[in-house]
Amino acid sequence: AQSVTQLDSHVSVSEGTPVLLRCNYSSSYSPSLFWYVQHPNKGLQLLLKYTSAATLVKGINGFEAEFKKSETSFHLTKPSAHMSDAAEYFCVVSDLVMNTGFQKLVFGTGTRLLVSP
Amino acid sequence: DGGITQSPKYLFRKEGQNVTLSCEQNLNHDAMYWYRQDPGQGLRLIYYSQIVNDFQKGDIAEGYSVSREKKESFPLTVTSAQKNPTAFYLCASSATGYSYEQYFGPGTRLTVT
Repeated sequence: AQSVTQLDSHVSVSEGTPVLLRCNYSSSYSPSLFWYVQHPNKGLQLLLKYTSAATLVKGINGFEAEFKKSETSFHLTKPSAHMSDAAEYFCVVSDLVMNTGFQKLVFGTGTRLLVSP
Repeated sequence: DGGITQSPKYLFRKEGQNVTLSCEQNLNHDAMYWYRQDPGQGLRLIYYSQIVNDFQKGDIAEGYSVSREKKESFPLTVTSAQKNPTAFYLCASSATGYSYEQYFGPGTRLTVT
């Protein structure tokens, strides 16, 4: 089965400084990978996804992620943090359900991003 | 506006009562999902449905039931058999096939006392 590990439960940055949220995945085949963001008491919003095209994926709100197969990583970055980026971020990998061809998503435990003025 | 709606936003129930959470989508998606979210545990899959009149258990289906009588609707019933029902519940939908992202509703926070 596929899995993801988010290496930090909390990350704190100052407004205007770079953001790095780390994610490692485990997959027996070439996976699809996603980053979602969740603001308090809200649903999840897709930031970006990787589906075996370009390894550097650009998403919404200035976020991007790089797929590195040799390191089994899919870290999320942003050059300059904004106060509105404070939220919880989930790294997600696709997992095929055996004998069905159906894809389900496997979520990491999340990283809470704190942005200080 | 296309999207997923969940109602109600907050729900309070007494222990021993069944409760049904609503999920409706107008995205014309074939697949729908229910997740449970607890602090520090990410999202865990309860049930999913790839097509009308068919659904499958996810990773934590015990104490829950679903139906899929219409493409747009996928209600979740939290039964009295669920030992720890207090949680944030999220519904999602997607197209079927590889690498399609899921779209999420705003969630229902269920508190059982």
